[in-house]
Amino acid sequence: DTAVSQTPKYLVTQMGNDKSIKCEQNLGHDTMYWYKQDSKKFLKIMFSYNNKELIINETVPNRFSPKSPDKAHLNLHINSLELGDSAVYFCASSQDRITYNEQFFGPGTRLTVL
Amino acid sequence: KQEVTQIPAALSVPEGENLVLNCSFTDSAIYNLQWFRQDPGKGLTSLLLIQSSQREQTSGRLNASLDKSSGRSTLYIAASQPGDSATYLCAVPWNTGFQKLVFGTGTRLLVSP
Repeated sequence: DTAVSQTPKYLVTQMGNDKSIKCEQNLGHDTMYWYKQDSKKFLKIMFSYNNKELIINETVPNRFSPKSPDKAHLNLHINSLELGDSAVYFCASSQDRITYNEQFFGPGTRLTVL
Repeated sequence: KQEVTQIPAALSVPEGENLVLNCSFTDSAIYNLQWFRQDPGKGLTSLLLIQSSQREQTSGRLNASLDKSSGRSTLYIAASQPGDSATYLCAVPWNTGFQKLVFGTGTRLLVSP
């Protein structure tokens, strides 16, 4: 019955590796997001997709590449991981792209780069 | 640029107290404001969403108010319980036409028995 799910929950890896985080929502929403929460607990948007189309792309290094195979899934692939990538990454979804709708968040993926 | 600030950064109260958390934003042209709760090591749970046309929204012991003109929202928690201990975040969509949420810095609440 989980609305927005992410895998894995924890990810520990070495610098330079490539890793992916998966997100799925079963709410029938059209829009999905990736947020990053840094060590100071500050949450900031990274990307947003609407019906598999990229609509928000913040100033994120191009080592980060989101991919949306369908509107229920939004995965985040990270190449050449760096120490500064260590954070908690949250996936979220909303009904559509307009600004009247509530966003629902997944449980987060804690990424630790050693 | 939209900036969201929350005061206080941390709050510790005994069980049973009523308390108020504050959220302020710099750009008053918002469509809505959302309050979230984050438990340690957990995701965000949406508590309340106030549309710009509303002044208040209530859910159980929680009451959120919105004053767009002054750029402020408050979250009132009545009869606090230890289970209310968490970090509370407010967020507003930045006026880009898309739901790009800008989050506040959070208030860490501890309710002691």
